Amino acid sequence: DQQVKQNSPSLSVQEGRISILNCDYTNSMFDYFLWYKKYPAEGPTFLISISSIKDKNEDGRFTVFLNKSAKHLSLHIVPSQPGDSAVYFCAARGWTSGTYKYIFGTGTRLKVLA
Amino acid sequence: KAGVTQTPRYLIKTRGQQVTLSCSPISGHRSVSWYQQTPGQGLQFLFEYFSETQRNKGNFPGRFSGRQFSNSRSEMNVSTLELGDSALYLCASSPTSANTQYFGPGTRLTVL
Repeated sequence: DQQVKQNSPSLSVQEGRISILNCDYTNSMFDYFLWYKKYPAEGPTFLISISSIKDKNEDGRFTVFLNKSAKHLSLHIVPSQPGDSAVYFCAARGWTSGTYKYIFGTGTRLKVLA
Repeated sequence: KAGVTQTPRYLIKTRGQQVTLSCSPISGHRSVSWYQQTPGQGLQFLFEYFSETQRNKGNFPGRFSGRQFSNSRSEMNVSTLELGDSALYLCASSPTSANTQYFGPGTRLTVL
């Protein structure tokens, strides 16, 4: 049972345009959401996060939107740059067995074309 | 502060062998989690350790085990290796399980 889903395995965007990466989740008890970026042969790097009590968080070119009623999370990158080409994972935090646990999506590979 | 370190970075083993992977968390971080990454499967949670105690465990067979030492360093062991165990194994640390996790570079395990 995949509680966090990234339905688009890949996405190609022209440099300078907006990249929109999407993530859906099923558990309404998730209280914190994160996006990570991963380059080949490296571990995931934390990018941006959002608490379930907010609907938007912005950090430079990166903005995360949360729609709790739709159980949907999105990451906007504006403007997109070739260095943004990587695999992006969304993650959700839930409380289970007396501790927090993070559930990750399967990732979306973003390719920014110069 | 130094980041999360994992050793070795690459490992080649044959079926039936066992392997031990090591993770040193960021200084001051007491929570260490392990994940397996395979193509198309994303990051699958293995287990989390906090103050030398396993706090949570994912849906992996008992061949996968771990431990954490008093200095928060953690090891993961896989016994009786199978071809399907070939993956990137990632370690993440955080002050507690409630905080954002920071990942190491991973150990690429290949089982032949």
